[in-house]
Amino acid sequence: QSALTQPASVSGSPGQSITISCTGTSSDVGGYNYVSWYQQHPGKAPKLMIYEVSNRPSGVPDRFSGSKSGNTASLTISGLQAEDEADYYCSSYTSSSTVVFGGGTKLTVL
Amino acid sequence: EVQLLESGGGLVQPGGSLRLSCAASGFTFSSYAMSWVRQAPGKGLEWVSAISGSGGSTYYADSVKGRFTISRDNSKNTLYLQMNSLRAEDTAVYYCAKASDNGSSFPLDLDYWGQGTLVTVSS
Repeated sequence: QSALTQPASVSGSPGQSITISCTGTSSDVGGYNYVSWYQQHPGKAPKLMIYEVSNRPSGVPDRFSGSKSGNTASLTISGLQAEDEADYYCSSYTSSSTVVFGGGTKLTVL
Repeated sequence: EVQLLESGGGLVQPGGSLRLSCAASGFTFSSYAMSWVRQAPGKGLEWVSAISGSGGSTYYADSVKGRFTISRDNSKNTLYLQMNSLRAEDTAVYYCAKASDNGSSFPLDLDYWGQGTLVTVSS
């Protein structure tokens, strides 16, 4: 199972919006509405930000939103804040009853 | 408060074995599927294995199938990962994580993670 494809890095200024893409196949992202997004700060454990494509867990700001079209899922962060600077990973359930993660995207807040 | 505390990591020679444990508290452990996810130094996340709440269903990444065994003891609120035939490429921080939904036998998304335990495979 190949990793989902994410851009290695994205950047934006405070207050701006950014979008991180996550491309898979019809056997994972395109086949199921079980795409999740995780935020990881250096030296910390990952934190669930989005589940089932577009749902936010309690406590996650509504600046974070998710969507999917075909084999590509996206995470959008609006109103960027300094604390959003982190690594972001997408994941998807697969037809093999496994989970595949994306390679990760480093978000820099300029 | 949900807490997950991994232990058992350390330095092991190639071909050796190690058993990781994850002590859970703050939720009804037996009701939730659990996963192990690893992260090699400076690299991304890699899903390793999952187990249903009852322990009756287990799932593995191809990279560890046949070498790793996931299990759980619901009477002790503890998740395990038995790792055999270890290779240098298994070197990573290993996280245990809890499914967000108690209605599925497979942890589709992970809402609580431990702080991880480092496994180093080297001679």
